[in-house]
Amino acid sequence: QQQVKQSPQSLIVQKGGISIINCAYENTAFDYFPWYQQFPGKGPALLIAIRPDVSEKKEGRFTISFNKSAKQFSLHIMDSQPGDSATYFCAASPIQGAQKLVFGQGTRLTINP
Amino acid sequence: NAGVMQNPRHLVRRRGQEARLRCSPMKGHSHVYWYRQLPEEGLKFMVYLQKENIIDESGMPKERFSAEFPKEGPSILRIQQVVRGDSAAYFCASSPMDRVETQYFGPGTRLLVL
Repeated sequence: QQQVKQSPQSLIVQKGGISIINCAYENTAFDYFPWYQQFPGKGPALLIAIRPDVSEKKEGRFTISFNKSAKQFSLHIMDSQPGDSATYFCAASPIQGAQKLVFGQGTRLTINP
Repeated sequence: NAGVMQNPRHLVRRRGQEARLRCSPMKGHSHVYWYRQLPEEGLKFMVYLQKENIIDESGMPKERFSAEFPKEGPSILRIQQVVRGDSAAYFCASSPMDRVETQYFGPGTRLLVL
């Protein structure tokens, strides 16, 4: 019940295309869903986050779509660029109580020029 | 505003030695979390601390691992009698009191046990 399942494991997208990464969770106590971007040898960097009171949040080229009934959320990267090539992790946590993040397994995204 | 700082960035230990990893949270942050990342895997929660208190250590191995966040100074993750399976990247994150769920990560310490 504590798991967050992420797919695909790896993704190759052409420059200018849309990258889509999906995550699913089971624990209904989760109510905070961030996405992190990690470059090789670096720490994860917070990219964008959403709470279940909205179905979509957009920041620049990055959009989170959230489906509370299906317990799924996804990251969309519009106009993907080679600099977006990185590993992306979804995560989830409850806002109240223990705030530990439960991470997905990660998606290695490659944007071909 | 400096980010989360971790040192050392790389640490090599032989089996049986002790590893001591340090984390200084962002200025104004009073909550610290430690995560472990094995190669090609996601991050796994280990422990959540506030100043002088361990709040949640449900992800910590029962033996050889300990963590502290003293009133003064950095948070310390200590691994005694390291084994090869402890080789991993260890990340520290911190969050502010008013947005506890928003965690900012440091660059990590890569531990290699020979």
